[in-house]
Amino acid sequence: AQTVTQSQPEMSVQEAETVTLSCTYDTSESDYYLFWYKQPPSRQMILVIRQEAYKQQNATENRFSVNFQKAAKSFSLKISDSQLGDAAMYFCAYRSTRSQGGSEKLVFGKGTKLTVNP
Amino acid sequence: NAGVTQTPKFRVLKTGQSMTLLCAQDMNHEYMYWYRQDPGMGLRLIHYSVGEGTTAKGEVPDGYNVSRLKKQNFLLGLESAAPSQTSVYFCASKLRWLAGVNEQFFGPGTRLTVL
Repeated sequence: AQTVTQSQPEMSVQEAETVTLSCTYDTSESDYYLFWYKQPPSRQMILVIRQEAYKQQNATENRFSVNFQKAAKSFSLKISDSQLGDAAMYFCAYRSTRSQGGSEKLVFGKGTKLTVNP
Repeated sequence: NAGVTQTPKFRVLKTGQSMTLLCAQDMNHEYMYWYRQDPGMGLRLIHYSVGEGTTAKGEVPDGYNVSRLKKQNFLLGLESAAPSQTSVYFCASKLRWLAGVNEQFFGPGTRLTVL
């Protein structure tokens, strides 16, 4: 079974600085999808960025970018020019491209709490 | 478009009581999911459904039942609540995967406390 590990329970960053959140995963599959979700204090889960494993190019979405290292099974999230509104829990998630009994389920890491200091 | 909605947002139960959480989506998604989120544990899949009239067990199904009588609704039931079921419950939905990535859309969550 696939597992997702986020080794940093908490991180902090100064406003306008850059921070990187780590995520590693374990899988025997060659094709899959990876996601970063943000959960602010409102509890709403918001998709930040996604990466298809077959794509070598790292995904970017405005101030958010990933460093996808397939061989190392690493998928880190970089937040540039951090803003107070970036303060949240961040979850890394994995999804297989295989049917998995039809679930197409997400496997989540335990999350990293990001604090942004003014 | 309301997206994914959950009812209620908060609930307090006594041990042994029963209740049903309702999830509704207006995006015509085939797949629906129920997760629970506990501190330090991330989100864990309870049950899921790949279409109207079908349900299946996820990672932590014990103590819960589900039903999907209509495509837009996915109900999560607790027949006899236990303190271990104190958690935040999230519903999510997505399109059936065809090509490309179909993200899961989440509801706002239900905070359930069992005393």
